[in-house]
Amino acid sequence: QQPVQSPQAVILREGEDAVINCSSSKALYSVHWYRQKHGEAPVFLMILLKGGEQKGHDKISASFNEKKQQSSLYLTASQLSYSGTYFCGTPRGSGNTPLVFGKGTRLSVIA
Amino acid sequence: DTGVSQDPRHKITKRGQNVTFRCDPISEHNRLYWYRQTLGQGPEFLTYFQNEAQLEKSRLLSDRFSAERPKGSFSTLEIQRTEQGDSAMYLCASSLDVVFGNTIYFGEGSWLTVV
Repeated sequence: QQPVQSPQAVILREGEDAVINCSSSKALYSVHWYRQKHGEAPVFLMILLKGGEQKGHDKISASFNEKKQQSSLYLTASQLSYSGTYFCGTPRGSGNTPLVFGKGTRLSVIA
Repeated sequence: DTGVSQDPRHKITKRGQNVTFRCDPISEHNRLYWYRQTLGQGPEFLTYFQNEAQLEKSRLLSDRFSAERPKGSFSTLEIQRTEQGDSAMYLCASSLDVVFGNTIYFGEGSWLTVV
C-alpha cells in the first residue's frame, strides 16, 4: 500500500525550516527518502531502519517511529538547492522487497 | 561514471509502434528494478530482477510490457503496440541484495512520448 505524504506542497524562504511527513497503514521495516528535481531521476537521501532512529544528511535529518508507522523529514535552514519533490518509499512487503513510493511533497525554496 | 545508465533518454514514437529501453545497473548490483513515473506522481513499481531471474511483476503491467535481464547484467524493457497512456518516464534502478534495507539507486530515466 502506498505511503501517504503530507503536506503535498510547501513554499519556504531561504533559511526557514520544514517538516515532511510519511505514514503507512501497514507495519514498516524501513523508510527511504529521495529528492527529485524537475526532469531528473530521484536521488537517494537516507534510509531509516530502526524504530526511533534518526539520521542526518547535511542539514536534512529524519526520524522513524515504527510503532506509529510514520517517518518525518526535517529540513533546517533551507537553501535554494533544497527545492524539489521529496518522496518517501517503503517496502512493498516484509523484508527486502521493492519500494512503493508516496505521491511526493513539492518543496519550493525562494530567495 | 559508475551509476545506473539508461538509453535512450528520450523517445518519441507513434501509437502502435514498439519501443525498447536499455538499462545498465551499477556493476556490482545484483538487483535491478523498473519503475514508471508520470507527472505529479511518485515512481510506480513495474518489475524487478535478482540476477537474471524476474522475481515479481506488478499487476499493473499489461501483457504488452516485457522485461529481460538475460545475463544478469543489463536489462531491457520492451513495450509493444504503444498507447498514448504509456507516455511516462521509465526509471531503472539497482541495488545490492542485502538482508534488510537495501538502498536503491535510480538512473536518469527514459522519457517516452507516444503521439
